[in-house]
Amino acid sequence: EPEVTQTPSHQVTQMGQEVILRCVPISNHLYFYWYRQILGQKVEFLVSFYNNEISEKSEIFDDQFSVERPDGSNFTLKIRSTKLEDSAMYFCASSPRGVGNTGELFFGEGSRLTVL
Amino acid sequence: DQQVKQNSPSLSVQEGRISILNCDYTNSMFDYFLWYKKYPAEGPTFLISISSIKDKNEDGRFTVFLNKSAKHLSLHIVPSQPGDSAVYFCAASGQAGTALIFGKGTTLSVSS
Repeated sequence: EPEVTQTPSHQVTQMGQEVILRCVPISNHLYFYWYRQILGQKVEFLVSFYNNEISEKSEIFDDQFSVERPDGSNFTLKIRSTKLEDSAMYFCASSPRGVGNTGELFFGEGSRLTVL
Repeated sequence: DQQVKQNSPSLSVQEGRISILNCDYTNSMFDYFLWYKKYPAEGPTFLISISSIKDKNEDGRFTVFLNKSAKHLSLHIVPSQPGDSAVYFCAASGQAGTALIFGKGTTLSVSS
């Protein structure tokens, strides 16, 4: 069964460093998303991506964050100058049709980011 | 501003009984609602959805009920099984391609 894959599963970084989280969405999906979950809190929307551009982003997704689809398969989240509060589980998701059009999101297993 | 609220952080149920998980929302523009299940160290997994044109959707042991006037939905699991023990997230969306807004989740524990 096709699945969303994410790497790395866990990354530890020093405050101020840049990290790139990688995702391979399901191949025929058109909508891509990043969510995060700080330990003990809810799953929060960061950004959605469609047709090679950001379609929606939350207040969390400020200039520190960027997304890219560098080739036909990868979808990356870059976090510049990481802060302690960026420590969270980051989930990538993809959808064939977009939520609200009978298209649920398929999530990866997450990348745990620990900022020291 | 919590647009999707799951006011019960946890629920304990005996195997074979019904589990009822509740969710309230505040945004009247939401028209598509989903339930996700999450095990530790895994990503959320889609469980069941309902669009605002319906008031009930059933899939095996899982039924979602939507009360638009009350801005309330619930997930019924019957009969509950120990393998159902997980965190259940309610989520909502306004239109195709837009973000899913998640609730904080309810941890369901089903004891045998």
